[in-house]
Amino acid sequence: QIQLVQSGAEVKKPGASVKVSCKAFGYTFTGHYIHWVRQAPGQRLEWMGWINPASDGTKYAQRFQGRVTMTRDTATSTAHMHLTRLTPDDTAIYYCAREDTTMVTDFWGQGTLVTVSS
Amino acid sequence: IVLTQSPGTLSLSPGERATLSCRASQSVSSSSLAWYRQRPGQAPRLLIYAASSRATGISDRFRGSGSGTDFTLTINRLEPEDFAVYYCQQYGSSPTFGQGTKVEIK
Repeated sequence: QIQLVQSGAEVKKPGASVKVSCKAFGYTFTGHYIHWVRQAPGQRLEWMGWINPASDGTKYAQRFQGRVTMTRDTATSTAHMHLTRLTPDDTAIYYCAREDTTMVTDFWGQGTLVTVSS
Repeated sequence: IVLTQSPGTLSLSPGERATLSCRASQSVSSSSLAWYRQRPGQAPRLLIYAASSRATGISDRFRGSGSGTDFTLTINRLEPEDFAVYYCQQYGSSPTFGQGTKVEIK
């Protein structure tokens, strides 16, 4: 059964960094891109970027360029999203999602709440 | 590409039909338009991809249609579990989402 299981909630101070993990189960990890999407309170979903677990290639949304790094560990079938220089506007639920063969994201993790507050 | 959904909120009774709209600021390939349902406290769930194809396990009460800049999600015979927020998404090279339509019980 395909599942993406994310790491637990985080509380960070402004200026800090956060790393969110996403462990894949039930399919070949290197066969599908992993996307990261966030949802700030009361806001629409916002795409952050993707990583190709097979090649380690990445693409980031322009507004996160320079602040986000997506990595993967094929030995543990885990993807990571590292976001630096946090501000209160980064308070959101962060989701990982698997891209299927038609390029749509078909399975999503449960979400990780990141709270940025002094 | 900016996606604008309407209405913001739809108040309906169980058994009725819901019609949700998604308008794009520029033409979207029909092969790259999806709809998701999000229940409170849950992750989005894929309903429709490629504008009109139902995802695995999705009831045929859900129907996607449209092309170019105008897309529609129709939900027939609303059931209690259908009351949620629905998002459209274009998944081209830089994916974007609409702001969502909340379907609430009247």
